Amino acid sequence: DAGITQSPRYKITETGRQVTLMCHQTWSHSYMFWYRQDLGHGLRLIYYSAAADITDKGEVPDGYVVSRSKTENFPLTLESATRSQTSVYFCASSESGTGWSSYGYTFGSGTRLTVV
Amino acid sequence: GQQVMQIPQYQHVQEGEDFTTYCNSSTTLSNIQWYKQRPGGHPVFLIQLVKSGEVKKQKRLTFQFGEAKKNSSLHITATQTTDVGTYFCNAGNNRKLIWGLGTSLAVNP
Repeated sequence: DAGITQSPRYKITETGRQVTLMCHQTWSHSYMFWYRQDLGHGLRLIYYSAAADITDKGEVPDGYVVSRSKTENFPLTLESATRSQTSVYFCASSESGTGWSSYGYTFGSGTRLTVV
Repeated sequence: GQQVMQIPQYQHVQEGEDFTTYCNSSTTLSNIQWYKQRPGGHPVFLIQLVKSGEVKKQKRLTFQFGEAKKNSSLHITATQTTDVGTYFCNAGNNRKLIWGLGTSLAVNP
């Protein structure tokens, strides 16, 4: 969807390096989410944000940091990348945090991260 | 805690055959959403169901929410190769959403 943009699309990084994945939305949605998707695990929530300057942990937050200084941006930082963080990362936005939205979640195209 | 089981995990069909995926919860749900993810793509929202016994249709896709609001199904009539992908349910209980692991559909032309 043109309304939510993730960058980069692909990233290879080395173990121990810091890497930041970017997410920008133009819908003015209050809620934004970061998921990782791995075979056999489906979509797992890393962090979410209900509004600017409000963030909270999801299921698998360890090793990740988020910030949301502006409503439209929600970057995800891997402080010291590990091989277990090799995954596809999706950013999503929604009008509602509990899913009570007739429009559901809008996902970005994803970032495929490989940690070597 | 609340669990969401999605079955089957995989399904291969011949083009023109029907397909159904089920999403089952251990507790009563407030709402359920369905998404489709094409290979290499991102999840795309299909529909939300909120009422007991609700049935909604989108062309060849029929979505149902069980009377007890503990299960849901997505049925595709006469599959086409464009239906290939993984179908996810996302089940809500007013406080949080839980994703199913998805059903991957392959369609042989």
